[in-house]
Amino acid sequence: GAGVSQSPSNKVTEKGKDVELRCDPISGHTALYWYRQSLGQGLEFLIYFQGNSAPDKSGLPSDRFSAERTGGSVSTLTIQRTQQEDSAVYLCASSQMNTGELFFGEGSRLTVL
Amino acid sequence: AQSVTQLDSQVPVFEEAPVELRCNYSSSVSVYLFWYVQYPNQGLQLLLKYLSGSTLVKGINGFEAEFNKSQTSFHLRKPSVHISDTAEYFCAVSENDYKLSFGAGTTVTVRA
Repeated sequence: GAGVSQSPSNKVTEKGKDVELRCDPISGHTALYWYRQSLGQGLEFLIYFQGNSAPDKSGLPSDRFSAERTGGSVSTLTIQRTQQEDSAVYLCASSQMNTGELFFGEGSRLTVL
Repeated sequence: AQSVTQLDSQVPVFEEAPVELRCNYSSSVSVYLFWYVQYPNQGLQLLLKYLSGSTLVKGINGFEAEFNKSQTSFHLRKPSVHISDTAEYFCAVSENDYKLSFGAGTTVTVRA
């Protein structure tokens, strides 16, 4: 497809389980972002990848969160030992170079019971 | 570090009436400013952006915003809204060329 693709669109898990969220950016976009959207709290920056440079991980809330980007394309956000406060919509975005125009996917809604 | 404050969390408005969504930011350096829109059940998309030049920026769907450096504001306006403008609107700021900080969002509900 032409847009940013995220999967799964919905994930319900039990507290303590690990989850993986996948993002397939727009072809040719060198920059990839993960944000977290919680109700009434806007978007929280998590991590940024740009080409082969070291990622900016400054937004990851704890060491339970990690992300990788393989081959400069697909990215996976992993949350280990999930907690209820991890429940949110996780948004992936990509952009071409650093234009400020981010193209967002529709998000992965995570619910931790 | 930069931060963004959207002063209204909810804005109800009648169809064909004007709307203004307020956004203030704090930063010690020059910034880039953006408005994104999220329609129901859709991903966010860029509405407009200010990088440099004219302080009045026009975007898609008849929206415009004005950058006011002295007031550190970037308010979004539309002179006449439609039902289809019902959405959540996010103001965002960047001090560099990649990391955007978003406001909490303003939900606009347009009523007939």
